[in-house]
Amino acid sequence: EAGVVQSPRYKIIEKKQPVAFWCNPISGHNTLYWYLQNLGQGPELLIRYENEEAVDDSQLPKDRFSAERLKGVDSTLKIQPAELGDSAVYLCASSSGGEDTQYFGPGTRLTVL
Amino acid sequence: TQLLEQSPQFLSIQEGENLTVYCNSSSVFSSLQWYRQEPGEGPVLLVTVVTGGEVKKLKRLTFQFGDARKDSSLHITAAQPGDTGLYLCAGARGSARQLTFGSGTQLTVLP
Repeated sequence: EAGVVQSPRYKIIEKKQPVAFWCNPISGHNTLYWYLQNLGQGPELLIRYENEEAVDDSQLPKDRFSAERLKGVDSTLKIQPAELGDSAVYLCASSSGGEDTQYFGPGTRLTVL
Repeated sequence: TQLLEQSPQFLSIQEGENLTVYCNSSSVFSSLQWYRQEPGEGPVLLVTVVTGGEVKKLKRLTFQFGDARKDSSLHITAAQPGDTGLYLCAGARGSARQLTFGSGTQLTVLP
């Protein structure tokens, strides 16, 4: 069974530029999460989707961050414009309705110069 | 601000030594999970503890949930270089779809 797929794995941009991350969850998983992880720290939830509905986006900085999950499968997280402090690893995870285990992708490492 | 504090933040030991990592909070959790994360990868679930005082063993790893469900510990016996990684605890209030992660413990086991 394929795991959670994320792309790109690495992204380097200059500040004020836009950037987008893509996530393909495990097939059949209706819950999708985006986390931000700073170096050596635990992940922090940005947004959680149940199917195509964002049910928890209280920690998403909505002035520059946006996310979508069209058709309740793939998801895209966008930052526009990026700031130096956005440099981090962006993790996507998914889980099925029948269990509470979250399966994480390898993440996208963003560097903002 | 991390609601779950882990200690120590960094730990470097020799192969064969024992170690304990702690995860503490002032909040009560319905369950607590432990993850291990290797460089360039996402966290991988090791165990979920649900009942206060519960002890679970996974080979050389022993996990304990505090009686009051506010804290947890991870004990590794005879550590091996393959145990190297970032260990994360994560507490759930209600569903484990709402996790709060700890600050992490970076473990390095030297051969």
